[in-house]
Amino acid sequence: AQTVTQSQPEMSVQEAETVTLSCTYDTSESDYYLFWYKQPPSRQMILVIRQEAYKQQNATENRFSVNFQKAAKSFSLKISDSQLGDAAMYFCAYRGIQGAQKLVFGQGTRLTINP
Amino acid sequence: EPEVTQTPSHQVTQMGQEVILRCVPISNHLYFYWYRQILGQKVEFLVSFYNNEISEKSEIFDDQFSVERPDGSNFTLKIRSTKLEDSAMYFCASSPISSGGGYEQYFGPGTRLTVT
Repeated sequence: AQTVTQSQPEMSVQEAETVTLSCTYDTSESDYYLFWYKQPPSRQMILVIRQEAYKQQNATENRFSVNFQKAAKSFSLKISDSQLGDAAMYFCAYRGIQGAQKLVFGQGTRLTINP
Repeated sequence: EPEVTQTPSHQVTQMGQEVILRCVPISNHLYFYWYRQILGQKVEFLVSFYNNEISEKSEIFDDQFSVERPDGSNFTLKIRSTKLEDSAMYFCASSPISSGGGYEQYFGPGTRLTVT
């Protein structure tokens, strides 16, 4: 079974600075998808960024980018120019490619932005 | 932009009562999911649904749980006899079939279930 591990329960960063959230996963599959979801205090789950395992190029989405290291099974999220609205829980998630595959989530990292 | 909706936003029920949580997935989506999140913990998969039947279910999804798509738009989760430990946020999600896409799952805002 696939597992996702986020080893940083909490992180904090100064506004306008850059922060990196870590995620590792375990799988025997060669192709899959990885995601970062943001959960603000409202508890809505919001997709931040997605990475296909077969793509070597790291995904980027405005201020958000990932460092995907397939051999190391590592998938970190970098947030540049942090803003107060980035404060939230961030969840890393894994999904296989077949059919109605479920998302497997990590434990989450709570990100605090200091003004 | 289309979105997944869920009702009610908050449900309070007494232990042993039946509850039905409702979801309206995005209209052209074909995969449907329920997840739950106990306060302060990670999001856990409950069940996936495709082509009017369960595709996969977790260990949490025991005989007390059932899902249904009673019409072309609603997707429901029923808990037959609630327990205190069923108190959690329940998320519905839906996903399109998208070749070359990420099969992204779009989440609803959640229903907070409180069992007293």
